[in-house]
Amino acid sequence: DAGVIQSPRHEVTEMGQEVTLRCKPISGHDYLFWYRQTMMRGLELLIYFNNNVPIDDSGMPEDRFSAKMPNASFSTLKIQPSEPRDSAVYFCASSFQGPETQYFGPGTRLLVL
Amino acid sequence: GNSVTQMEGPVTLSEEAFLTINCTYTATGYPSLFWYVQYPGEGLQLLLKATKADDKGSNKGFEATYRKETTSFHLEKGSVQVSDSAVYFCALTLSGSARQLTFGSGTQLTVLP
Repeated sequence: DAGVIQSPRHEVTEMGQEVTLRCKPISGHDYLFWYRQTMMRGLELLIYFNNNVPIDDSGMPEDRFSAKMPNASFSTLKIQPSEPRDSAVYFCASSFQGPETQYFGPGTRLLVL
Repeated sequence: GNSVTQMEGPVTLSEEAFLTINCTYTATGYPSLFWYVQYPGEGLQLLLKATKADDKGSNKGFEATYRKETTSFHLEKGSVQVSDSAVYFCALTLSGSARQLTFGSGTQLTVLP
């Protein structure tokens, strides 16, 4: 398997623009997690899905953030409008039958100017 | 609530030195414990785990023992290599709870030749 695939790997945008991050989990995995990592706040769980259903979105910072998982092989995280404080590395991870062994993607490095 | 506390970094060692990274936890119940590692520019990956008290997880020369009496899961390696330079995250999860990992803040390790 190719592992968890994220795109784009790098994104530079201007404040106010919409940003869409994409994730393809490992085939057969039934859990998908979105994380954000910054120097100041460390690794934060934003939201996770089980069998394509959002289970816990309490980590989503505010209404500007939304996530979807239309099918088992694809998920998006959208920020609209983006702000400079959203600059971070966003990771997608997937796992099978529980959160214990998560496989992380390479991350999307987002810079909002 | 559930939480993980790691020793603050950064930790800098010479090659072949002994490594200990401390991790303690607070949890309501009996958690499973994990160490994840993040190499530069990559996502996290599972290093080792232990699911019950007195279990020892091991991988790539790293070891950690689940100590219920001290609520600890310290990571050790007898002889570190330059290639071990990374950020190490301690984490826990509880069965039956919200199915997510609770991560510590991470400890940066740099090994000098």
